[in-house]
Amino acid sequence: AQSVTQLDSQVPVFEEAPVELRCNYSSSVSVYLFWYVQYPNQGLQLLLKYLSGSTLVKGINGFEAEFNKSQTSFHLRKPSVHISDTAEYFCAVSEIQGAQKLVFGQGTRLTINP
Amino acid sequence: KAGVTQTPRYLIKTRGQQVTLSCSPISGHRSVSWYQQTPGQGLQFLFEYFSETQRNKGNFPGRFSGRQFSNSRSEMNVSTLELGDSALYLCASSLSAGAGGYTFGSGTRLTVV
Repeated sequence: AQSVTQLDSQVPVFEEAPVELRCNYSSSVSVYLFWYVQYPNQGLQLLLKYLSGSTLVKGINGFEAEFNKSQTSFHLRKPSVHISDTAEYFCAVSEIQGAQKLVFGQGTRLTINP
Repeated sequence: KAGVTQTPRYLIKTRGQQVTLSCSPISGHRSVSWYQQTPGQGLQFLFEYFSETQRNKGNFPGRFSGRQFSNSRSEMNVSTLELGDSALYLCASSLSAGAGGYTFGSGTRLTVV
């Protein structure tokens, strides 16, 4: 079974500041890793995914994430945030071979202050 | 290219009733998954269908069921509704295996009163 821990439930930052949202996972099998964003009253939008290869993954809206196998982490970063980045962010994993489902973390609410 | 379409967007039902939610995946996507999102439990996997067959099922009671049609459209049904079933129900589609990522719909907000 897999589990995902997002270490911060809320992260407030000022506009144009950098941000890091932390995600750790646990799994006995190899997994794919994802970050999704959810804006109010909307579904989930895929920000980026790690399947294999380079451990630094670039996504949409200027976000990037780094996969660290030894620390079983997949932290999300953005060098300069904008008011429009205010949303809830979810880290998720799915087995590479096995059940086709996403296991999500509890989410991190990112609030951007002017 | 049209996204994942979920209908209806909002629904209010009374305890004990049943409800059916609909999901139309992206054209060509054969896998459809359903998730329940609540403030307390977060996002939880309900079930996944591929080519009209349920491949995976989450840890939910038998009141929760689903099906997939030959055109890949999917429905989920909840019978004998309870107050705790109030949630945002999200549908996601993908081509086959999950490597390509899952595309989510906007969800159906179910309120049970």
